[in-house]
Amino acid sequence: DSGVTQTPKHLITATGQRVTLRCSPRSGDLSVYWYQQSLDQGLQFLIQYYNGEERAKGNILERFSAQQFPDLHSELNLSSLELGDSALYFCASSVDSNYGYTFGSGTRLTVV
Amino acid sequence: KNQVEQSPQSLIILEGKNCTLQCNYTVSPFSNLRWYKQDTGRGPVSLTIMTFSENTKSNRRYTATLDADTKQSSLHITASQLSDSASYICVVSSSGGSYIPTFGRGTSLIVHP
Repeated sequence: DSGVTQTPKHLITATGQRVTLRCSPRSGDLSVYWYQQSLDQGLQFLIQYYNGEERAKGNILERFSAQQFPDLHSELNLSSLELGDSALYFCASSVDSNYGYTFGSGTRLTVV
Repeated sequence: KNQVEQSPQSLIILEGKNCTLQCNYTVSPFSNLRWYKQDTGRGPVSLTIMTFSENTKSNRRYTATLDADTKQSSLHITASQLSDSASYICVVSSSGGSYIPTFGRGTSLIVHP
């Protein structure tokens, strides 16, 4: 157990639907990062939050949004889902950006 | 543009053999370089983190080297085991401007008995 908790582990949904992925960071970590990993692709950075505020944004689609709550857990919202959104979505946390990240076990999203 | 290139893309070796994975980067200014191991369908797990002043760092059978002048890093795996079969990802962070780390695409290592 890495200390970073992601739920659900698996999610199957239809095109056009909306889903919410949840991440609880490791205790004491203020930063949360979201990554997308499509089949046989590298990790693509989506967005980072630090202590409740958005700090950096990567290749995140406008259909996707995220937030970090006062208790530091984070949610990634994916809407108007397309087949191409099927991927593993990882959350990672860290004390700050200069320290190593701890990754969760991921949420496998399948859009059918 | 910050980039991280890893080679080889994939590698197959026999159990007990050694291997070396390469990482070249253009990230500047440099802050740190990390190697992660990712088992299929699992989250990446950190192996090492190296800063500018560190040349070599070991973690059990994994030894990472860093040459900040040539902007190259290597990960050497000694006496490979079947459980070493995974993707190895090089990640480089910059100390200026963007907080976004740059990920390599990874080297897929398969260890055969």
